[in-house]
Amino acid sequence: GQQLNQSPQSMFIQEGEDVSMNCTSSSIFNTWLWYKQDPGEGPVLLIALYKAGELTSNGRLTAQFGITRKDSFLNISASIPSDVGIYFCAGNNDMRFGAGTRLTVKP
Amino acid sequence: DADVTQTPRNRITKTGKRIMLECSQTKGHDRMYWYRQDPGLGLQLIYYSFDVKDINKGEISDGYSVSRQAQAKFSLSLESAIPNQTALYFCATSDSQGRDTQYFGPGTRLTVL
Repeated sequence: GQQLNQSPQSMFIQEGEDVSMNCTSSSIFNTWLWYKQDPGEGPVLLIALYKAGELTSNGRLTAQFGITRKDSFLNISASIPSDVGIYFCAGNNDMRFGAGTRLTVKP
Repeated sequence: DADVTQTPRNRITKTGKRIMLECSQTKGHDRMYWYRQDPGLGLQLIYYSFDVKDINKGEISDGYSVSRQAQAKFSLSLESAIPNQTALYFCATSDSQGRDTQYFGPGTRLTVL
């Protein structure tokens, strides 16, 4: 099946710093999705991308659908403590998720 | 009220017991999914259903079965639970007529002793 590689696995940053994480796939995706999971909760959709090259923002979050359709990145600007959590990428071709990026923000 | 609900939220059981986890949704979505999450890992797809008469295996279906009793209900069963099925279980829904993005329930924490 398709492999989704998400990196980095974890990040420890200072409040106010910008964050970048990405996902790559061995196959082409039609849709890239980014989710955030808070402790003890289910993942919540942050951004959905539907077209190659698409760049979409949601507040301090920006995500892009790679031109090759095999990758996507998520940026968080000016991080705050409530950004803490696990961020997952997903492609809806076969409903697979990346392993997640665990973000810790130090005040 | 939550759009996707899961019951129970927590369950502790013993090896060999039969367990059923239930999922209900009020979103009117046709597609439903069951995922498993192990500590520090991502989500693995167990089973999915695109409508009431449709059931498909995911990546890790061995040891599990499902039933789609109605469009709004999708249950996951462990016929004979074993300790390595201890995990967090999530139900999700999506709308094939919309963008087909998935919406998740709050999860069920299952511990098999």
